[in-house]
Amino acid sequence: DQQVKQNSPSLSVQEGRISILNCDYTNSMFDYFLWYKKYPAEGPTFLISISSIKDKNEDGRFTVFLNKSAKHLSLHIVPSQPGDSAVYFCAASARNNNDMRFGAGTRLTVKP
Amino acid sequence: DVKVTQSSRYLVKRTGEKVFLECVQDMDHENMFWYRQDPGLGLRLIYFSYDVKMKEKGDIPEGYSVSREKKERFSLILESASTNQTSMYLCASSFSGLNQETQYFGPGTRLLVL
Repeated sequence: DQQVKQNSPSLSVQEGRISILNCDYTNSMFDYFLWYKKYPAEGPTFLISISSIKDKNEDGRFTVFLNKSAKHLSLHIVPSQPGDSAVYFCAASARNNNDMRFGAGTRLTVKP
Repeated sequence: DVKVTQSSRYLVKRTGEKVFLECVQDMDHENMFWYRQDPGLGLRLIYFSYDVKMKEKGDIPEGYSVSREKKERFSLILESASTNQTSMYLCASSFSGLNQETQYFGPGTRLLVL
């Protein structure tokens, strides 16, 4: 039972364009959402997060949007750079829960 | 700067062997986690611990056990390794509290069971 879903296993964009990575969740108890970035042979590193009390959080080139009614969030990267090429994991957790659920990941390739 | 280290980057074991994967964090985090990462399945939680000597099953605990004797160390044990346990194993840690806390990951251990 996958509570967090990333339906696109891969995405390819041109350098300088916008990358949009999508994530859906099924558990209405989730109220905190994160994106992690993973390079080959390394562990995932935290990228950006959003609480359910917000619908947008921005950090430099990265913006996460949350649509609670649709149980959907997205990560926008603009402008995309070749160094952004990695696997991106969406994750979610519920208040007072210490564990987190991850999506299957989306492999982003940014072409020069 | 948070540091989570895992004892091995690569391991090759034979079916039936007992396997120990060690994880150490240096940030005094209460929570520690073990995940496995498989293509198309993402990160799946095996076990987690929110305190010394405490453990909770995750989504896929079968075939695994864990040990948390010290706050900084969380061990994953494969009692009798099987080929379907070939995977990338990732350890993570986080603070505990009312607000959800970011998890910090180690570099991973790629285990091959022959």
